[in-house]
Amino acid sequence: EAQVTQNPRYLITVTGKKLTVTCSQNMNHEYMSWYRQDPGLGLRQIYYSMNVEVTDKGDVPEGYKVSRKEKRNFPLILESPSPNQTSLYFCASSIGLAGVPTGELFFGEGSRLTVL
Amino acid sequence: KQEVTQIPAALSVPEGENLVLNCSFTDSAIYNLQWFRQDPGKGLTSLLLIQSSQREQTSGRLNASLDKSSGRSTLYIAASQPGDSATYLCAVGAGSYQLTFGKGTKLSVIP
Repeated sequence: EAQVTQNPRYLITVTGKKLTVTCSQNMNHEYMSWYRQDPGLGLRQIYYSMNVEVTDKGDVPEGYKVSRKEKRNFPLILESPSPNQTSLYFCASSIGLAGVPTGELFFGEGSRLTVL
Repeated sequence: KQEVTQIPAALSVPEGENLVLNCSFTDSAIYNLQWFRQDPGKGLTSLLLIQSSQREQTSGRLNASLDKSSGRSTLYIAASQPGDSATYLCAVGAGSYQLTFGKGTKLSVIP
């Protein structure tokens, strides 16, 4: 079954405590991306990756890091979380052609993060 | 910078009615447009994907059209059902590998 798997699904943490949200896809997709969803602001792109070792900033990259060492995994790292990073986070993947996400975008179930 | 607008923000219709959801975008140099459905607290599910060379796509009771020149897409839902109640989002792929989402239309289908 085609899947994008995120972990953890729910997390409460404190300001400054480093955390990683993992994302894994089993479809051999080239393109992967992270989004945050906030009431009234919609979905905003944090980072995206066109392939292994190729990443770039989206609209709201401040306070986040990513890496793409393997094609299937695209973890999101919050080095020093702050309360304004409290949000619902989604990972997504798609087929890529010449780096462009040309196919259907598959989303994970989401990770709800609360930073106290 | 690409901007995507969905109007209305919320819509309530009686069961059985046909309805149209709208999506507009500012930069017509897109490579695709997708429509998604999101249930409360859940991830997004892709409904229809239209490549830039296409005018429309159909899946069951859903039909999506694309007019790049006017920067518009519509999602037509035929014979609406209570199970169609959800938030519908459109996303536009353009520029340097980025996808820009609208804020969605929250649809309620009343039995």
